[in-house]
Amino acid sequence: SQTIHQWPATLVQPVGSPLSLECTVEGTSNPNLYWYRQAAGRGLQLLFYSVGIGQISSEVPQNLSASRPQDRQFILSSKKLLLSDSGFYLCAYKGPLNTEAFFGQGTRLTVV
Amino acid sequence: KNQVEQSPQSLIILEGKNCTLQCNYTVSPFSNLRWYKQDTGRGPVSLTIMTFSENTKSNGRYTATLDADTKQSSLHITASQLSDSASYICVVPEFGGSQGNLIFGKGTKLSVKP
Repeated sequence: SQTIHQWPATLVQPVGSPLSLECTVEGTSNPNLYWYRQAAGRGLQLLFYSVGIGQISSEVPQNLSASRPQDRQFILSSKKLLLSDSGFYLCAYKGPLNTEAFFGQGTRLTVV
Repeated sequence: KNQVEQSPQSLIILEGKNCTLQCNYTVSPFSNLRWYKQDTGRGPVSLTIMTFSENTKSNGRYTATLDADTKQSSLHITASQLSDSASYICVVPEFGGSQGNLIFGKGTKLSVKP
């Protein structure tokens, strides 16, 4: 069966510190992978998506970057966090031939 | 521009009552539309998918409708329960465009009160 793992569930980081959120998928090959951010009371904002290893598309200019070192691994990073980076981050995947997105449990990031 | 708009933004109802959530889309070409439920602090989970040829589909107390001519979909919840409190998100795939092929609405936040 297909599963998606995202960690950590919660994270409190000081301003200026680095960030690394990891997402891995099992049970599927060549998935499309996504990173979304959801601010309080807001909709899902697409940050990055990837259709293959090393292929990253950025939707919003920001302080974040993403990498896909392996087919089923997607990493969200920052060299120096800002207060405005606080939010709920969701990783998702979908198979290349279907339209249902499967989401991880999310990471609540608080930058202090 | 391909967009998905949802209304209302938020809704409060009493337990046991019915409600209807709306989704309008401009995505073209259209193949299907999904409704997701997102509990607070969790990732969204798919409730149902409506394909181009379907008008109505039920999943327990949830009934989704689709009018491909007017590009509208609705999600009707019958006999609401406290556990229905969540955000409901409408999603339409986009082919040949950006956004990784998925256009998300901003969701309707439903609160069911006892």
